[in-house]
Amino acid sequence: DQQVKQNSPSLSVQEGRISILNCDYTNSMFDYFLWYKKYPAEGPTFLISISSIKDKNEDGRFTVFLNKSAKHLSLHIVPSQPGDSAVYFCAASDHGNTGKLIFGQGTTLQVKP
Amino acid sequence: DAGVIQSPRHEVTEMGQEVTLRCKPISGHDYLFWYRQTMMRGLELLIYFNNNVPIDDSGMPEDRFSAKMPNASFSTLKIQPSEPRDSAVYFCASSHFRGRTETQYFGPGTRLLVL
Repeated sequence: DQQVKQNSPSLSVQEGRISILNCDYTNSMFDYFLWYKKYPAEGPTFLISISSIKDKNEDGRFTVFLNKSAKHLSLHIVPSQPGDSAVYFCAASDHGNTGKLIFGQGTTLQVKP
Repeated sequence: DAGVIQSPRHEVTEMGQEVTLRCKPISGHDYLFWYRQTMMRGLELLIYFNNNVPIDDSGMPEDRFSAKMPNASFSTLKIQPSEPRDSAVYFCASSHFRGRTETQYFGPGTRLLVL
C-alpha cells in the first residue's frame, strides 16, 4: 500500500510558466514533508520541506503548500527554468523521532525552452 | 566533504549470482538508509540503521536480501541469489538526526542489471 502517492508520472511546462507538482498521502500521523529533486545518474537531493504546523513554505522560486484536511501537498516552481527538468519526489516522515521517510513514485518534470 | 559514496556505480550480473553493493556514509552521520528505485514504486526504503544497528528491515523484499553495517563508515547490501526482478537502482543515504530534521543525503546510486 502506497502511503505517499504522486499520481502524475510526468509534467511538461513552458519555460517561464508555473510548474505545479502534486502529492497525496494517507497516513494522518505524517507531520513533516519534503521534496527531493533527482537528475539522471545522480542521487536525489533535498529541495524544500514543510512542517504540519504550517501551510506554506517558500524558498526562492520554490513554494510548498500543505492542505492537511485533504492530505495533499503541492510544489510550485515559478518561473520554471529548463534546469528544473528532473524527477521530483515527495516524501513524508512517519514518526517524529525516527528520521525515516516514505517516498512517492516521483514525477518527471520537463521544462521546454 | 565527499558526500555519500557508493560502489560499484554499475553492476551487470547473471541470475543466481551474488551481488554486493557498498556504501560509505557521510562522516558523523548516525543514520544510514538503503533504498531501491523502480518505475512502478518509486523510492522504496529497504532497511535503515541507527548507530550501526538495524532499526527497520520491513522493506527488505525477501530473505535473498541482507544488509550489514559493521562500523560507522561502511555498509553493504547483499543479494544472494540475484534474480532479474532485482534489476533497479539502489541508493544509499545518510543523515544526522537533530531533533526533527529528516533531511537525508543520497549517494549517486548503483544501477543493477540482472540478466
